[in-house]
Amino acid sequence: GQNIDQPTEMTATEGAIVQINCTYQTSGFNGLFWYQQHAGEAPTFLSYNVLDGLEEKGRFSSFLSRSKGYSYLLLKELQMKDSASYLCAVIDSNYQLIWGAGTKLIIKP
Amino acid sequence: DGGITQSPKYLFRKEGQNVTLSCEQNLNHDAMYWYRQDPGQGLRLIYYSQIVNDFQKGDIAEGYSVSREKKESFPLTVTSAQKNPTAFYLCASTTLAGDTDTQYFGPGTRLTVL
Repeated sequence: GQNIDQPTEMTATEGAIVQINCTYQTSGFNGLFWYQQHAGEAPTFLSYNVLDGLEEKGRFSSFLSRSKGYSYLLLKELQMKDSASYLCAVIDSNYQLIWGAGTKLIIKP
Repeated sequence: DGGITQSPKYLFRKEGQNVTLSCEQNLNHDAMYWYRQDPGQGLRLIYYSQIVNDFQKGDIAEGYSVSREKKESFPLTVTSAQKNPTAFYLCASTTLAGDTDTQYFGPGTRLTVL
């Protein structure tokens, strides 16, 4: 079966750094997405990785290791507005998106 | 402004009734998707369509139906056969001509069955 694992919930402090991990076992791999979803709202696109390495975009960075089936999202200089769920999704060999359950990130002052 | 719209934002339905959720996009995207989201779970694919007048079942299509008569519209009908329809429904679209197939989402419809 296909599976994406993320921690259910994480807590961090305003101004700090947090790393949200995602491991996947899928039939093939054609890319990995990270989305942010505030409560009651739609997911919004954050990043896309298809090659190994780190992609940096402002305060957010995303890393991919295809050999390990592993990705992480790194959030720096945390702000209260970063409190949200972060969804990891993988495109499989059939070009279908497989979604993780999401990680709820709680930011404390 | 280009985007994806879903209506209504909140919908209440009596058990045994069919209800149709609207999804419209003016992004000229080829593909459109319907997902269901339940608390603590990932998005689950209901139906998707890559071209007008054609659509495919996703992982949880039972109790749902769709149509794609126009490129910009992909309505979802939740039928009385769906056993547990209370959920947050998300519509998404993407261009098939891009490099990443990034899906963009509408604001969602929260359906509650009374």
